[in-house]
Amino acid sequence: GESVGLHLPTLSVQEGDNSIINCAYSNSASDYFIWYKQESGKGPQFIIDIRSNMDKRQGQRVTVLLNKTVKHLSLQIAATQPGDSAVYFCAEGGFMDSSYKLIFGSGTRLLVRP
Amino acid sequence: GAVVSQHPSRVICKSGTSVKIECRSLDFQATTMFWYRQFPKQSLMLMATSNEGSKATYEQGVEKDKFLINHASLTLSTLTVTSAHPEDSSFYICSAASGTGANTQYFGPGTRLTVL
Repeated sequence: GESVGLHLPTLSVQEGDNSIINCAYSNSASDYFIWYKQESGKGPQFIIDIRSNMDKRQGQRVTVLLNKTVKHLSLQIAATQPGDSAVYFCAEGGFMDSSYKLIFGSGTRLLVRP
Repeated sequence: GAVVSQHPSRVICKSGTSVKIECRSLDFQATTMFWYRQFPKQSLMLMATSNEGSKATYEQGVEKDKFLINHASLTLSTLTVTSAHPEDSSFYICSAASGTGANTQYFGPGTRLTVL
């Protein structure tokens, strides 16, 4: 079936460096993409989203890039901080089986070294 | 922002018993609520979608008679795990959407279920 996957299961970065987390999606009909941050034992926390009619969107310290040609999504975190350590999930939204759903990727753990 | 709560946050039960998990939207009306399950070190897997006042739609492979979902009001959905077994131990997360589309979902903090 359709799936969303990630290239890197774990990413370790030095505090202050920039982080890039990647995601590949397979449903060409998806029209909405979201990045979530999940800390241990907690629910997903919204970071940033982007619609399929855009290729870049910026937030505070975060940027999401969407490349529909190769079905690739990335999350860039500037000046990574220890508090950014968590698991990051991308999710794609679209109509599947006649209803609108979010399908989550497998996740990337970000470790920030002090 | 929109707040979604879950209760309980953690529950331990004996095998064969039933457990009810509540999901509430605290400051908005949720026309649609979603239930996800997350096993350790894995991603969130959608279990079912529930719309207020109608039957839930279950994803393939999810037993509707085992995971009973009720969405009786615009602020409350419940998931009941019936005759729980150790393999049902997981992190259950709900989300709520206020519009007809599911693209803006607000997630609850999750419920850790442990079945002994």
